[in-house]
Amino acid sequence: AQSVTQPDIHITVSEGASLELRCNYSYGATPYLFWYVQSPGQGLQLLLKYFSGDTLVQGIKGFEAEFKRSQSSFNLRKPSVHWSDAAEYFCAVGTDYKYIFGTGTRLKVLA
Amino acid sequence: DAGVIQSPRHEVTEMGQEVTLRCKPISGHNSLFWYRQTMMRGLELLIYFNNNVPIDDSGMPEDRFSAKMPNASFSTLKIQPSEPRDSAVYFCASSRSGIRSFHEQYFGPGTRLTVT
Repeated sequence: AQSVTQPDIHITVSEGASLELRCNYSYGATPYLFWYVQSPGQGLQLLLKYFSGDTLVQGIKGFEAEFKRSQSSFNLRKPSVHWSDAAEYFCAVGTDYKYIFGTGTRLKVLA
Repeated sequence: DAGVIQSPRHEVTEMGQEVTLRCKPISGHNSLFWYRQTMMRGLELLIYFNNNVPIDDSGMPEDRFSAKMPNASFSTLKIQPSEPRDSAVYFCASSRSGIRSFHEQYFGPGTRLTVT
């Protein structure tokens, strides 16, 4: 069965620092991979997606993610965090017509 | 373009009452999803429709929950009777057809349901 793990429940970084949020998946083949962001009181917004091809994908708001097949990972990165990036981030895995979200990582940004 | 529209944004009701949540998907999107988000269980898919037909309702918790999609622009999620453990944020999302487009889901702002 497919599964998604986000090992970090909370992460705190200083504004301007770099960020990496971890996501690991379990699936027999290469799934479709996604990162969503949820600001307080809002719905989820798609940040970026990976289907195939180049393993480094660029998304909105300056985010990028890298698919590493050998590690079954799809970590989200940003070189310099802004205070407005404080939110909850969800990794998701899609296979055929199944879709599973991770439990989320809540990001706090210190001024 | 308007995004996914959900109403009401907040609902407070008493245990035993019927609750109806509404969703208008993005025009042109063929798939519609209902999710529930709680602190304990995270984001769970309840049901999804494709071309107005329910495809997978395995996530619907029990018979008290029902969902309909009478046309391409409207869906409802009904809880009858409601219980305090149904308190959660309910999201509706929509996407286009096609295996890749299916996974690019656009979420509404959610309905925060509180059952007392």
